[in-house]
Amino acid sequence: QQQVKQSPQSLIVQKGGISIINCAYENTAFDYFPWYQQFPGKGPALLIAIRPDVSEKKEGRFTISFNKSAKQFSLHIMDSQPGDSATYFCAASNTGANSKLTFGKGITLSVRP
Amino acid sequence: GAGVSQSPRYKVAKRGQDVALRCDPISGHVSLFWYQQALGQGPEFLTYFQNEAQLDKSGLPSDRFFAERPEGSVSTLKIQRTQQEDSAVYLCASRGTQDLYEQYFGPGTRLTVT
Repeated sequence: QQQVKQSPQSLIVQKGGISIINCAYENTAFDYFPWYQQFPGKGPALLIAIRPDVSEKKEGRFTISFNKSAKQFSLHIMDSQPGDSATYFCAASNTGANSKLTFGKGITLSVRP
Repeated sequence: GAGVSQSPRYKVAKRGQDVALRCDPISGHVSLFWYQQALGQGPEFLTYFQNEAQLDKSGLPSDRFFAERPEGSVSTLKIQRTQQEDSAVYLCASRGTQDLYEQYFGPGTRLTVT
């Protein structure tokens, strides 16, 4: 059973557009929801994260929206740039335990110039 | 300061060989995680250390996989009698005590078993 599901599987956006990536989770014990960005040959790097006590968090061009009742959260990338082209993973963890991360399968974002 | 480092970055092993993958976490980070990332997939948890204690090894796929962190800093993931299905990128992450949530990942070791 896949505990964290991402959609879409791939995304192509024009430069300056908004990229939206969605994530759904199963385990209601999860209480930490990060988004990671990964470039080829590199390890995942944390972009932005949210706890369930807030519904939205914004850092620069990146915004997480969180819907606890629907068990969904999404990443919005405003003014998308070609340098944002990468693979994006949503993840979740239960911070009461060892906080191991459960990742989605990832989506490949391509931002066209 | 320096981030998480891993060595080697690439490893090719013949089926049946043993391999050892090294992780140097961020200095002072007490928590260390190993993940396995198959091609085109998200990372999957293997095992977790707090200092030298291995508190969770529920993700290790078989008894051929073994991890240690004897002095609470550097960790080694060992795979015995490698199989083709072990081919993947092995990622190490560490976490400090000031932020109980954020994990910092290394660049990974790409293991190819031929």
